[in-house]
Amino acid sequence: AQKITQTQPGMFVQEKEAVTLDCTYDTSDPSYGLFWYKQPSSGEMIFLIYQGSYDQQNATEGRYSLNFQKARKSANLVISASQLGDSAMYFCAMREGRSNTDKLIFGTGTRLQVFP
Amino acid sequence: GAVVSQHPSWVICKSGTSVKIECRSLDFQATTMFWYRQFPKQSLMLMATSNEGSKATYEQGVEKDKFLINHASLTLSTLTVTSAHPEDSSFYICSAPHRTSNKNIQYFGAGTRLSVL
Repeated sequence: AQKITQTQPGMFVQEKEAVTLDCTYDTSDPSYGLFWYKQPSSGEMIFLIYQGSYDQQNATEGRYSLNFQKARKSANLVISASQLGDSAMYFCAMREGRSNTDKLIFGTGTRLQVFP
Repeated sequence: GAVVSQHPSWVICKSGTSVKIECRSLDFQATTMFWYRQFPKQSLMLMATSNEGSKATYEQGVEKDKFLINHASLTLSTLTVTSAHPEDSSFYICSAPHRTSNKNIQYFGAGTRLSVL
């Protein structure tokens, strides 16, 4: 079974609008972390936001927020006020456990295109 | 966020040669680093976990003798693709975990595009 599932291969959004990128996960470990990364065409992986399994509140970082629904095992990324520079691949990832030696498991990614 | 530097960003080599890729944590120490491989239009695939002062842990299906990993210091891990062949052409990217604001975040290098002729 897939540990991380991103069902949207591609998404379009108009500039200044909000967009939600979906991510569901599967784990039996009570301690885990969820990450979102942005990968522009240059290839670098840019860390956007993190949500720990024990965090009570949804994570927010500027225009990025994570809609964490633990019972549904979903961790959707919400980008508000989209900008042209947001066009990129977006990857959801999970780390089972809390140690920094625990590896990340990535989803297949969603390509976001922002149009004027 | 923390900075991870990866070098070179692009390398073209002849079949049969070896290529070394460096991954450095610039403003923090990393006893563990991770090496990933990414094929076009695909996700990242973990190749191995690099451990400072000890042997790397390889994922299933990754050839240890093909992809040599050395983590000789707290800020540097290297991946050497030995006797490279065209099928080794790919995007290689490293990451290092850094604890910030009570969270363990993995920060990535910019990646290396390897083309084997």
